[in-house]
Amino acid sequence: AQRVTQPEKLLSVFKGAPVELKCNYSYSGSPELFWYVQYSRQRLQLLLRHISRESIKGFTADLNKGETSFHLKKPFAQEEDSAMYYCALRRGSGNTGKLIFGQGTTLQVKP
Amino acid sequence: EADIYQTPRYLVIGTGKKITLECSQTMGHDKMYWYQQDPGMELHLIHYSYGVNSTEKGDLSSESTVSRIRTEHFPLTLESARPSHTSQYLCASSDLAGGYTGELFFGEGSRLTVL
Repeated sequence: AQRVTQPEKLLSVFKGAPVELKCNYSYSGSPELFWYVQYSRQRLQLLLRHISRESIKGFTADLNKGETSFHLKKPFAQEEDSAMYYCALRRGSGNTGKLIFGQGTTLQVKP
Repeated sequence: EADIYQTPRYLVIGTGKKITLECSQTMGHDKMYWYQQDPGMELHLIHYSYGVNSTEKGDLSSESTVSRIRTEHFPLTLESARPSHTSQYLCASSDLAGGYTGELFFGEGSRLTVL
């Protein structure tokens, strides 16, 4: 079964500390993975996708097929990073935006 | 301004009532989606539309129905609301590129409470 698991509901760190938001997936095909973010009083929006291998707002995520993981990392957390983060898996292939989401992790960055 | 709009934002209604959640986008997107999210839980795809007159059910079984008569409009209807329908409903859209990139644009959501 296709599934995305985010084991931590809440991750609390101090400003300047490293951050790692965990995401594991189960999928039999070639996965496409994404991180979405929802800041307070804002809409859910795309943060980054593994296929782009990009760094957005200092965040990076590497797809590890051996461990079926796609953890989101940032070396030095900022208070403005406090938000809800969702890991998502694209189901199927080709031109579709159908995504399977994890339960989300709330990141709280304390001053 | 290109955007995706959902109304109402909040709705409290009694059991047995018919409700329609509106979703409109001015982004010119072909694909639209409805996701359902219970508090602290995953978003689940309940409806998907490729374009006008093309809809299909998502992963999570839902008693709601949708229609896509116009490109910009994708309403969701519950004929007879029940307390089990209490949830947040998120509408999203994507263009052709978004279908490949996985980028969905979300509305602000409609929080439904059925008493």
